[in-house]
Amino acid sequence: AQSVSQHNHHVILSEAASLELGCNYSYGGTVNLFWYVQYPGQHLQLLLKYFSGDPLVKGIKGFEAEFIKSKFSFNLRKPSVQWSDTAEYFCAVTTMNRDDKIIFGKGTRLHILP
Amino acid sequence: DTAVSQTPKYLVTQMGNDKSIKCEQNLGHDTMYWYKQDSKKFLKIMFSYNNKELIINETVPNRFSPKSPDKAHLNLHINSLELGDSAVYFCASSHRGSEETQYFGPGTRLLVL
Repeated sequence: AQSVSQHNHHVILSEAASLELGCNYSYGGTVNLFWYVQYPGQHLQLLLKYFSGDPLVKGIKGFEAEFIKSKFSFNLRKPSVQWSDTAEYFCAVTTMNRDDKIIFGKGTRLHILP
Repeated sequence: DTAVSQTPKYLVTQMGNDKSIKCEQNLGHDTMYWYKQDSKKFLKIMFSYNNKELIINETVPNRFSPKSPDKAHLNLHINSLELGDSAVYFCASSHRGSEETQYFGPGTRLLVL
């Protein structure tokens, strides 16, 4: 069965630092990949998604992610973080199977120090 | 102009009670979902409906029963609530097909005492 791993459970950075959150998935077939963000007290929002094409995907708020098929990875990056980026970040994957189930990672809590 | 809405936002109840959480979407989507986010923030799919037909039913206790009166609504009814049911429940919707992005509701925080 497919799974999603987020290796960093809790990340603390200072403002203006660069960010990279790791995400790996286990599935041998075609996948669609997502990063969701949950700001404190709010619901999940889509940051970016990859379906096909250019493996470097740009999302909202200056985030980007790179799909590396050979490494089964979809890491999230941002060159310079802001205090407002403090949130929980979830990587997710869907396959082309009929049941269309989305699988989420366990999340990475990002805390930005002002 | 809310896309996916859930009510109530917070629900505090005693063990053994029966409660319902309602979800509505105005996006014209044909597929709706219920997710459970436990205290460790791990999200897990519970149910999925497409055009009022159940298509995903994960290993969830029988006490949980989804009801879809029409494509725009997917309600979650929980019987005999237990302490372990405390969590945030998210509703989501999308068009059919894994290529389509899911849009999430604001979540319902359930606390069972």
